[in-house]
Amino acid sequence: GQNIDQPTEMTATEGAIVQINCTYQTSGFNGLFWYQQHAGEAPTFLSYNVLDGLEEKGRFSSFLSRSKGYSYLLLKELQMKDSASYLCAVSPNDYKLSFGAGTTVTVRA
Amino acid sequence: DSGVTQTPKHLITATGQRVTLRCSPRSGDLSVYWYQQSLDQGLQFLIQYYNGEERAKGNILERFSAQQFPDLHSELNLSSLELGDSALYFCASSEDGKNSPLHFGNGTRLTVT
Repeated sequence: GQNIDQPTEMTATEGAIVQINCTYQTSGFNGLFWYQQHAGEAPTFLSYNVLDGLEEKGRFSSFLSRSKGYSYLLLKELQMKDSASYLCAVSPNDYKLSFGAGTTVTVRA
Repeated sequence: DSGVTQTPKHLITATGQRVTLRCSPRSGDLSVYWYQQSLDQGLQFLIQYYNGEERAKGNILERFSAQQFPDLHSELNLSSLELGDSALYFCASSEDGKNSPLHFGNGTRLTVT
């Protein structure tokens, strides 16, 4: 089975940087995904990490350490529209792609 | 627009009834996933299909069943509905069901009264 842990909530100020951590334990590992989900809407894909290191995509970056079972999503230059839930998901060998419970980020003016 | 189509958007039904949720994957995607998201809960993996075959099963209730048809669309059947089945049901598709990102439909909001 899988175990994916993320903080429940984070609050930050507009223009700031926030780092959302994700730790996981899984049976086999094929990659780690990050998704954004606004309340009542569908999740949208943000990033995918399969090798160790940092992947940068505009204001969003994602980091992976396979040996530590650890990833983080870095949101820079926060905007009000970034207020959402951020979901970490691990692709295991048994194809049961599971999501963490999500981290709700609130951006304050 | 993710390219994944789910119907209906909303469904209100009574306990004990049976409903069918439909999903058309993004063009070119072979894999379809179903997830349940209850109020203030995370996404719970139900089942995955790849090119018509069941590939992985999560904690899906025996009252629930699904299939993927030759044209790759999928249906999720929920029967003997209970109040606790009220949730948002998402379908997602991906190219290979392993290393490619999931693209989610807008979901079907099921309310059981």
